[in-house]
Amino acid sequence: GENVEQHPSTLSVQEGDSAVIKCTYSDSASNYFPWYKQELGKRPQLIIDIRSNVGEKKDQRIAVTLNKTAKHFSLHITETQPEDSAVYFCAASKEGYQKVTFGTGTKLQVIP
Amino acid sequence: KAGVTQTPRYLIKTRGQQVTLSCSPISGHRSVSWYQQTPGQGLQFLFEYFSETQRNKGNFPGRFSGRQFSNSRSEMNVSTLELGDSALYLCASSLLAGGADTQYFGPGTRLTVL
Repeated sequence: GENVEQHPSTLSVQEGDSAVIKCTYSDSASNYFPWYKQELGKRPQLIIDIRSNVGEKKDQRIAVTLNKTAKHFSLHITETQPEDSAVYFCAASKEGYQKVTFGTGTKLQVIP
Repeated sequence: KAGVTQTPRYLIKTRGQQVTLSCSPISGHRSVSWYQQTPGQGLQFLFEYFSETQRNKGNFPGRFSGRQFSNSRSEMNVSTLELGDSALYLCASSLLAGGADTQYFGPGTRLTVL
């Protein structure tokens, strides 16, 4: 089955700096890659997603890149703010297979 | 539109007991997935239901089971509880089945097994 590895497990950045979280997946048939943000004590929420027919997607300060050949995708957060502090999960799935495989999460701390 | 709801929010059980958790999806969503969340392990997929049918199952023992009703509400049951079952159980609903649609999570049920 699919295996998703996520790095780093923890990340501390100064406010205003950029943060990058990387994930690799094992199943070359996976074609949907969402990222979820989970603030302390709250439920995970989708922040951005990308499908395999796209190499990059941006939404304001957040961007995701996908390298299908290398089977890895990354989350980029620019101009980080304290409210970006949370646990971020990457995930991979393939349409029609009903199962979403999550990475183990990255705890991002933005230091004011 | 109301979000995904889960009941109860907290549960304390002892080893050997069984427990039933409930999840009500967003109105119109027919897919409900269940996850176990533990520190360091992320979100482990339990199973997904779509239109009352289990479409996929994760690598959990048979003590974990579920079902979905005609109104799309779903229940998850864990029998013969073990200490290692202590976790946050999250359900998520989506409009489409198939794993390639946005999932909306509930607040979770915190299960503690003593």
